[in-house]
Parts: sequence; C-alpha cells; structure tokens
Amino acid sequence: AQTVTQSQPEMSVQEAETVTLSCTYDTSESDYYLFWYKQPPSRQMILVIRQEAYKQQNATENRFSVNFQKAAKSFSLKISDSQLGDAAMYFCAYSSGAGSYQLTFGKGTKLSVIP
Amino acid sequence: DTGVSQDPRHKITKRGQNVTFRCDPISEHNRLYWYRQTLGQGPEFLTYFQNEAQLEKSRLLSDRFSAERPKGSFSTLEIQRTEQGDSAMYLCASSLRGGEKLFFGSGTQLSVL
Repeated sequence: AQTVTQSQPEMSVQEAETVTLSCTYDTSESDYYLFWYKQPPSRQMILVIRQEAYKQQNATENRFSVNFQKAAKSFSLKISDSQLGDAAMYFCAYSSGAGSYQLTFGKGTKLSVIP
Repeated sequence: DTGVSQDPRHKITKRGQNVTFRCDPISEHNRLYWYRQTLGQGPEFLTYFQNEAQLEKSRLLSDRFSAERPKGSFSTLEIQRTEQGDSAMYLCASSLRGGEKLFFGSGTQLSVL
C-alpha cells in the first residue's frame, strides 16, 4: 500500500518570505500522480499543484512550485512571496496511474503566515 | 462550473440515530468520491462511483454505511445507528477522470453525541 508522510506538523513563515513544505511517499509503482492540496478554515480542499511522475520537469503554478525527486520519493512544495491568504493546512497526496480512483493523503502541515 | 455542493454543512445527532448526507457534484463529472476526515488527519477514502456504479469501497466503510448515486447525478451517504466514532467531516469530491484534479465540496461536519 502507498503511504504519504508529512514530517512537519506546523510551519510558519514571514509574509513575503519563502517556505518549503516536505513530503515523502512510498510506492512500488512507476506511473502515478502527486498533489498538494490546501485546506483553509472554510474546509474546502483546493488543489494547489499537480505533478505527473513521468514528467521530469517540476510543476509550477505562479508562486507555488515543487521539487520532485522521484528516486528519493520526495515531493516538496515551495511557496514564494508568502501572503496572509496562504495560511492553511497543506496536504500532500498520491494517486496511482490514470485509472486510479483513490487519493492517499498525508496528515498535513499547518502553515501560519506572520504579518 | 458551480462547484461541488454538500448538504448539510453541520449535523449533530444522538448515538444510535440515522443520518444522511447529500453531495451534488459538478454536472459533467462522472466520477464521485466520498472521503472522511478526522481531526488532525488527512482525508481517508471511503468509496467511489463512476456514473451510477459504486466501484470501490474502503474497509473503513462498515455495513452501517451505505452510499448511492442514482442516475449518476447526486449522491447520498447514509450512516445507520451512528456511533461516537463516526464523528468526522465527510467530504465529497468529483472529477472527470482518474489522476485528474479532484474538486472537493466544503464537507459535512458530523458530531455524534
């Protein structure tokens, strides 16, 4: 079974600074997807960024980028120019190949942004 | 794209009562998922529909739980004879295809007293 580990229960960052959230996963598959989801106090899970394992290029979405190290099974999220609205729980998630129906989530990292 | 909607947003019930939650997915999405999230944890997969067919159920889904998706549109999740351990947030999500982005609703927070 696949597992996803987020080793940082809480992180904080100064507004406008950069922060990196860590995620490692365990799988024996070669075809899979990795995601970072954000869950603000409103509770709705919002996709931040998605990475396809077969793509070597790291995904980026505006201020959000990932460092995908397939051999190390590491998938960290970097948030640049942090904003107050970035404060939330961040969950790393894994999904098997294109036919998959299930996401496996980590326990999350609570990010606080200090003004 | 009106998003995934869930009803009710909060539900308080007494132990032993039955509860039913509703999820309306994004209209063109044929895949619908139910997840459960307890305090301090990430969401855990419960069950999955492709159109009206329930294709997979997690071991977490005991026989007190039943989910339906008639006509491949909205879905309901019913919990019979609720227990205090059922207290959690129940999240619904939908997608077009596997591996694609899941769109989540805001969840139903269940408290069993």
